[in-house]
Amino acid sequence: KNQVEQSPQSLIILEGKNCTLQCNYTVSPFSNLRWYKQDTGRGPVSLTIMTFSENTKSNGRYTATLDADTKQSSLHITASQLSDSASYICVVSAMNSGYALNFGKGTSLLVTP
Amino acid sequence: KAGVTQTPRYLIKTRGQQVTLSCSPISGHRSVSWYQQTPGQGLQFLFEYFSETQRNKGNFPGRFSGRQFSNSRSEMNVSTLELGDSALYLCASRSDRVPTGELFFGEGSRLTVL
Repeated sequence: KNQVEQSPQSLIILEGKNCTLQCNYTVSPFSNLRWYKQDTGRGPVSLTIMTFSENTKSNGRYTATLDADTKQSSLHITASQLSDSASYICVVSAMNSGYALNFGKGTSLLVTP
Repeated sequence: KAGVTQTPRYLIKTRGQQVTLSCSPISGHRSVSWYQQTPGQGLQFLFEYFSETQRNKGNFPGRFSGRQFSNSRSEMNVSTLELGDSALYLCASRSDRVPTGELFFGEGSRLTVL
């Protein structure tokens, strides 16, 4: 069964600090993995996409990594800002089943002053 | 380029009633998918439509249904509402030229069932 597990479930950090969110998956055959950011009361927005051949990809202060062998991905946030407070969702696409999407439950991040 | 538009944004219903939610995708996107989001459960996939045909379906009861029109606009309907149906319902569209393409979400319709 294709599954996506995210950890931690929630996280509180001080403004300016770094943090790392984890995503482990069992989706096979793997197509790609996306990280989405969802602000409270808004729809999710894509931050980055990782394909099988990519190990690291950055989008400003967000850096995603992928280890296709261990089926793990991480999202590292550098020098956090109050606006980073949101839910971060990991979505893994399978290459079969019509490219069905598998969603993690998300990590809720709160950045405090 | 206009984004995904969902209406209404907020609505309150009572148990037993039915509700219809609307979604207008980004121009040119023929794939529209629907999701239910509740605290602690994350995004739960309801169904996906492509060119007026249901392409994928999640594990929800038959009370949840949807359809897509020739202009790619989509509606979802929930009949015989239950308290547990209270949630944020999100619609997303994506370009069919890239099956694994990015989902573009609307702001959602927040349904409260009393």
